[in-house]
Amino acid sequence: KAGVTQTPRYLIKTRGQQVTLSCSPISGHRSVSWYQQTPGQGLQFLFEYFSETQRNKGNFPGRFSGRQFSNSRSEMNVSTLELGDSALYLCASKPTSGYSNQPQHFGDGTRLSIL
Amino acid sequence: DQQVKQNSPSLSVQEGRISILNCDYTNSMFDYFLWYKKYPAEGPTFLISISSIKDKNEDGRFTVFLNKSAKHLSLHIVPSQPGDSAVYFCAAIRHDKLIFGTGTRLQVFP
Repeated sequence: KAGVTQTPRYLIKTRGQQVTLSCSPISGHRSVSWYQQTPGQGLQFLFEYFSETQRNKGNFPGRFSGRQFSNSRSEMNVSTLELGDSALYLCASKPTSGYSNQPQHFGDGTRLSIL
Repeated sequence: DQQVKQNSPSLSVQEGRISILNCDYTNSMFDYFLWYKKYPAEGPTFLISISSIKDKNEDGRFTVFLNKSAKHLSLHIVPSQPGDSAVYFCAAIRHDKLIFGTGTRLQVFP
């Protein structure tokens, strides 16, 4: 069974640009969550999508947005990039939403560097 | 406000001995607690979880203990192996949202 796939693996952007990251969940998984990992803040929850609807949101500014398609694939967009957005962005999937005991399965992440 | 804390950034253990990774939390309303392991350049891998109504869960070499009165959980790895060398994150769930600690780097040496 293929795991969670994130593309691209690495990305370099400059301040002010925008970026779109992609995540394909495990087949059959309909819940997709996004996380930001930085050395200072650790892993922080961005948002969760289920059935093309945002179900949960962390404490990030509106520059961070996402969406989910009917095939459960998800994209995350960051607009007006800032230096502090440099991080590893991780996507995780699980079969459904609302069942806390289901562990999330993570992709290997997209390393975003802002120059 | 760090609701899940891992106060030890690193831990070094000899192969064959026990590794004990600790985690403290502040919110008594968390539903589940989980441990993830992360190798460099890879995403976190789920290890083991425990419901807030239990105090112990075991899976092979891994055992998680939950002390609700102390708001503390720990992961025991016995025996430790060099392949266990990684960063370990504890995480808590409330309202389906995963909140991670900052991680502990475990180094298992021969």
